[in-house]
Amino acid sequence: AQSVTQLDSHVSVSEGTPVLLRCNYSSSYSPSLFWYVQHPNKGLQLLLKYTSAATLVKGINGFEAEFKKSETSFHLTKPSAHMSDAAEYFCVVSERTGGFKTIFGAGTRLFVKA
Amino acid sequence: DSGVTQTPKHLITATGQRVTLRCSPRSGDLSVYWYQQSLDQGLQFLIQYYNGEERAKGNILERFSAQQFPDLHSELNLSSLELGDSALYFCASSVEVSGELFFGEGSRLTVL
Repeated sequence: AQSVTQLDSHVSVSEGTPVLLRCNYSSSYSPSLFWYVQHPNKGLQLLLKYTSAATLVKGINGFEAEFKKSETSFHLTKPSAHMSDAAEYFCVVSERTGGFKTIFGAGTRLFVKA
Repeated sequence: DSGVTQTPKHLITATGQRVTLRCSPRSGDLSVYWYQQSLDQGLQFLIQYYNGEERAKGNILERFSAQQFPDLHSELNLSSLELGDSALYFCASSVEVSGELFFGEGSRLTVL
């Protein structure tokens, strides 16, 4: 069965320090994995995606994520947080089972302190 | 701009009423998804359509219904509204090649 777990509901970092948002998944098939970001009162925007190519995926705004099959993880990182990174982040797993079945994680709220 | 258009952006109505939310997917996308986002429930998948046919159903109440028209736009109908239906309703579309979803800006529904 397909599932996704975001291990932290809230993460707080200082501006200029690294960001780590953790995501574990389970999937019966070779999944596609995504990270989306949602700023307040906005729609969700794709940050990056993994679709069985390179395991280290680079996204927008300096974010990247590494697909680790052995650990069933897809953690999101950024070397240096910016105030504008404060938002909610969703890890998403999608697998082809006829159509595509897409499961969203519960989200991680990122706070960035000045 | 994701290319997905939702109307209206804001809607205020009373309990017991009925509303219709509209979504135009990105050009070329055949799949449309509806999600509900509220503070207490988070992001909940409601329903998916693919080229006019229902593809998947999530936590959609019987008071809610949706359809996708031949021009691929979709409507979500919410009836007998309750206070708890107040939420942001998102539409997303995809080409169903990689499962990547493109989201609209959402329709904020307030039920008084």
